Amino acid sequence: KAGVTQTPRYLIKTRGQQVTLSCSPISGHRSVSWYQQTPGQGLQFLFEYFSETQRNKGNFPGRFSGRQFSNSRSEMNVSTLELGDSALYLCASSSPDRRIEAFFGQGTRLTVV
Amino acid sequence: LAKTTQPISMDSYEGQEVNITCSHNNIATNDYITWYQQFPSQGPRFIIQGYKTKVTNEVASLFIPADRKSSTLSLPRVSLSDTAVYYCLVGAHLDSSYKLIFGSGTRLLVRP
Repeated sequence: KAGVTQTPRYLIKTRGQQVTLSCSPISGHRSVSWYQQTPGQGLQFLFEYFSETQRNKGNFPGRFSGRQFSNSRSEMNVSTLELGDSALYLCASSSPDRRIEAFFGQGTRLTVV
Repeated sequence: LAKTTQPISMDSYEGQEVNITCSHNNIATNDYITWYQQFPSQGPRFIIQGYKTKVTNEVASLFIPADRKSSTLSLPRVSLSDTAVYYCLVGAHLDSSYKLIFGSGTRLLVRP
């Protein structure tokens, strides 16, 4: 069974640009969550999608958005990038009846210069 | 959401047993206790989960006392490759509003 796949693995962007990250969950998992990890703030919840609907949202500005497609694949978008957005972005998927048993991808390392 | 408290760091030596304790005084009736392991630049990995008493798998054991206000992750005979950050989380599987809240975790360093 394939794990959670995130693309790209690494990304370098300039301040002011926007970026789109992609996540393919484990087959059969309909819940996809996104997290930001930085040395200073640790792992922080961004948002969760379930059946193409955003179900939960963390405390991040509106520049951070996401969506989920009918095949459960998800994308997150960050607009008007700031230096502080440099982080490891992690995606996790889980099955509806095992929500706290999440499976994480390898992450996308975003560097904003 | 139940808040968890765990030591910031621990040191051990290869071959020793390591016990990491997590406090969760406000755990709810439907909450499970879940532990994750994270290596640098990788996503967290699910290790073990339990509701009460003791759970054991090929990687670790989880001890949960009757009042469920704390839990202990036990790693038998650690090796250098067990050096990682370990997170304790509590939550309910079927709670649609639940989101994984990671604390600072416990940074375990295994020395040769």
